[in-house]
Amino acid sequence: EEQLVESGGGLVKPGGSLRISCAASGFSFSFFTMNWVRQTPGKGLEWVSSISSSNDHIYYADSVKGRFTISRDNAKNSLFLQMNSLRAEDTAVYYCARRLTYWYFDLWGRGTLVTVSS
Amino acid sequence: QTVVTQEPSFSVSPGGTVTLTCGLSSGSVSASYYPSWYQQTPGQPPRTLIYNTYSRSSGVPDRFSGSILGNKAALTITGAQADDESDYWCVLYMGSGTFVFGTGTKVTVL
Repeated sequence: EEQLVESGGGLVKPGGSLRISCAASGFSFSFFTMNWVRQTPGKGLEWVSSISSSNDHIYYADSVKGRFTISRDNAKNSLFLQMNSLRAEDTAVYYCARRLTYWYFDLWGRGTLVTVSS
Repeated sequence: QTVVTQEPSFSVSPGGTVTLTCGLSSGSVSASYYPSWYQQTPGQPPRTLIYNTYSRSSGVPDRFSGSILGNKAALTITGAQADDESDYWCVLYMGSGTFVFGTGTKVTVL
């Protein structure tokens, strides 16, 4: 079964840092572009970042550019998001999502909650 | 800043038809934005319904269909069922590897 499992969420103070992870299984992770998408509590979804299969194309939403860094380890079938200078508005459930041709997300994890609060 | 707008809410009767739309704050939505649609129930991740404007994702019932209506992308539910009561999100590909999610539509079936 194809699966994405996020981990590493938690409570962090404003200005702090956190690294969240996504473990992939059941498919050839190294072949796919992967993304992070977040959802603020009771609100909408926001695309955060994307990394190509071979790390040569990386993109960020303006809201996180310069603060967040996406990376991956194809040998370990893992995706990461390093989040620095966190703000209250970064509080959200962070989903890992696989992107397919035709620019859509076909496989989603269950998410990990990041709470930024003093 | 690009805003992708959706109706905040819709109500549909069981067996009825409802069309949700996905528009741009400035400009028209076309197939070149590769519109996709997702369904989400509380506490669950999104589920992919439609991609590339018209294509249904694997396992999605054919009562869900995608199209371009005028200057917007559209998702039509024909013959709504109780378990279609969900939030629906559209996503547009904006180029350069970036995406924008719509504001979401809450569909009630009653």
